[in-house]
Amino acid sequence: DIVMTQSPDSLAVSLGERATINCKSSQSVLNGSNNKNYLAWYQQKSGQPPKLLIYWASTRESGVPDRFSGSGSGTDFTLTISSLQAEDVAIYYCQQFYNTPITFGQGTRLEIK
Amino acid sequence: QVQLVESGGGVVQPGGSLRLSCVASGFTFNYYGMHWVRQAPGKGLEWVAVISFDGSKKNYADSVKGRFTISRDKSSNTLYLQMNSLRGEDTAVYYCAKDEFPNCGGDCYWPFDNWGQGTLVTVSS
Repeated sequence: DIVMTQSPDSLAVSLGERATINCKSSQSVLNGSNNKNYLAWYQQKSGQPPKLLIYWASTRESGVPDRFSGSGSGTDFTLTISSLQAEDVAIYYCQQFYNTPITFGQGTRLEIK
Repeated sequence: QVQLVESGGGVVQPGGSLRLSCVASGFTFNYYGMHWVRQAPGKGLEWVAVISFDGSKKNYADSVKGRFTISRDKSSNTLYLQMNSLRGEDTAVYYCAKDEFPNCGGDCYWPFDNWGQGTLVTVSS
């Protein structure tokens, strides 16, 4: 199984400041045949289902604000929120969909400082 | 717009059974792979099972293999999860989720672009 490890577990950032969440996979999720990283990021607000933010490590889902961006390749990935808004308070999960079992990181709780 | 509506959750004793349903609308159901994902109270996300767009391929998490069965009915646009031999550690909110892109599930995988609101399963005596 591919183990996904996020850091930090929780993060407090001031409004308007940058938030950075890291995700490391225990093996590469880069598909050599299409050069795509099978890595997604989800946002889960309290009492709601998860929402897809980013896939292929850096492709923003339709309708997601451009303050959200993803980067990385192979085994190391980053989700960045360039200017934190109050509505961004949530738990963020990375996910690999390279193979089964599909696995998620343990989550990073993002709060306002 | 895409809608996924789960039902069938409830309280069940250890060793019991439950069948969850997820009614899909707003997209061509039989073009997309579908998943079940669960979340224990206060915990993270755990993928449970996937079924391919045509129902021919299925995969399961080891924690549920042999006890849970995923299926789909294209005539009613419904995804199912039959859960047998339930244990306390199966207590969770169960979400159904749709593949972002068509024609996969089972041996190729996509991110999950739509999720239902979830249905709570509680296994307790």
